[in-house]
Amino acid sequence: GESVGLHLPTLSVQEGDNSIINCAYSNSASDYFIWYKQESGKGPQFIIDIRSNMDKRQGQRVTVLLNKTVKHLSLQIAATQPGDSAVYFCAENPPSWGKLQFGAGTQVVVTP
Amino acid sequence: GAVVSQHPSRVICKSGTSVKIECRSLDFQATTMFWYRQFPKQSLMLMATSNEGSKATYEQGVEKDKFLINHASLTLSTLTVTSAHPEDSSFYICSAATGGGSNQPQHFGDGTRLSIL
Repeated sequence: GESVGLHLPTLSVQEGDNSIINCAYSNSASDYFIWYKQESGKGPQFIIDIRSNMDKRQGQRVTVLLNKTVKHLSLQIAATQPGDSAVYFCAENPPSWGKLQFGAGTQVVVTP
Repeated sequence: GAVVSQHPSRVICKSGTSVKIECRSLDFQATTMFWYRQFPKQSLMLMATSNEGSKATYEQGVEKDKFLINHASLTLSTLTVTSAHPEDSSFYICSAATGGGSNQPQHFGDGTRLSIL
């Protein structure tokens, strides 16, 4: 789910299918990760987080998977709905920074 | 819980005007607040980190005299864009965290769309 320049990668998903959004993070020392959802014209909304001592965490219809070996994070959305259409950002927290570093984002478009 | 209110949601003003944006944590105390800028189709770009009662820490390339930040209480931070020009037009978003921002989610306001004519 990373992009270069001004073009957000887009994931087109049919309503009812499962979505998988991927994120490659940069800092191997990062110990905390968050997924945010941003709808058009709004601020990011917290979805789910995971700490580095876990490799999987589940929420309501969402699951986050963490693979520290390859520095990869994914968000799975079960039974995707039209309301899930948004831009999804992953964020990592390198301990020495005291602030989050955001990925480039992935546009999810849910089609009927 | 963890509601952050940002005001105004939209501002349109003439070049040279100073614009103040407020960020409030409504149901929790925010020791740290963050200000971001976001261009269309891009990610959030951190401008500065402010801790209650102390000076803000600005990211490289962000002019502190241009973007004045005040974090006078545990529930309010303000960003003032001084003498705004068209290139300052953007979507500004604040977030708040209860601790130092580490290992805790930041909660975001709904952003302020600033348009300078």
